[in-house]
Amino acid sequence: GENVEQHPSTLSVQEGDSAVIKCTYSDSASNYFPWYKQELGKGPQLIIDIRSNVGEKKDQRIAVTLNKTAKHFSLHITETQPEDSAVYFCAALAYSGAGSYQLTFGKGTKLSVIP
Amino acid sequence: GAVVSQHPSWVICKSGTSVKIECRSLDFQATTMFWYRQFPKQSLMLMATSNEGSKATYEQGVEKDKFLINHASLTLSTLTVTSAHPEDSSFYICSAREAGLDQPQHFGDGTRLSIL
Repeated sequence: GENVEQHPSTLSVQEGDSAVIKCTYSDSASNYFPWYKQELGKGPQLIIDIRSNVGEKKDQRIAVTLNKTAKHFSLHITETQPEDSAVYFCAALAYSGAGSYQLTFGKGTKLSVIP
Repeated sequence: GAVVSQHPSWVICKSGTSVKIECRSLDFQATTMFWYRQFPKQSLMLMATSNEGSKATYEQGVEKDKFLINHASLTLSTLTVTSAHPEDSSFYICSAREAGLDQPQHFGDGTRLSIL
């Protein structure tokens, strides 16, 4: 099955600096890679996603890059703000058998933005 | 944007009680719904996947008689934790997706279950 590795597990940055979180996946057939932000006591919120037919996608201060050959994708947050502090999860969609597809999640990165 | 509503947000009950958690897709039809369990400072662990009108598919190690899942309509799925015990205390999160693999998966805000 799919395996997703996420690094780093914790990340502290100064307000205004950039933050980068990296993930690798094992199943070359995976073709959809979402990123979720989870604040304390809440469910994950989809912030950006990318499909395998593109290499980069940007939405204001957030961008995601994908390298299918190397099987890794990254989340980039520019001009970080205190409200960006949360746990971020990457995921990859892969076939799980019996006609089903499911997301496999990384272990999460706790981002702290220091004012 | 797509909204998934989950209730209740927090439940405290005595050991042996059965607890039902509801998950609703408010502005889209959720062909597929997922139930996850999350322990503190850990990632999401998929418990089961359900398609509307079909029996849920449980992940290995998840007791189907303990965690009853019903997905009777395109907007509602329920998870019932039967005869709950302290070890069932956890954060349970539902997720929903429209038909088609190109559709994103959206999550509810979770239910914190505490069994005394």
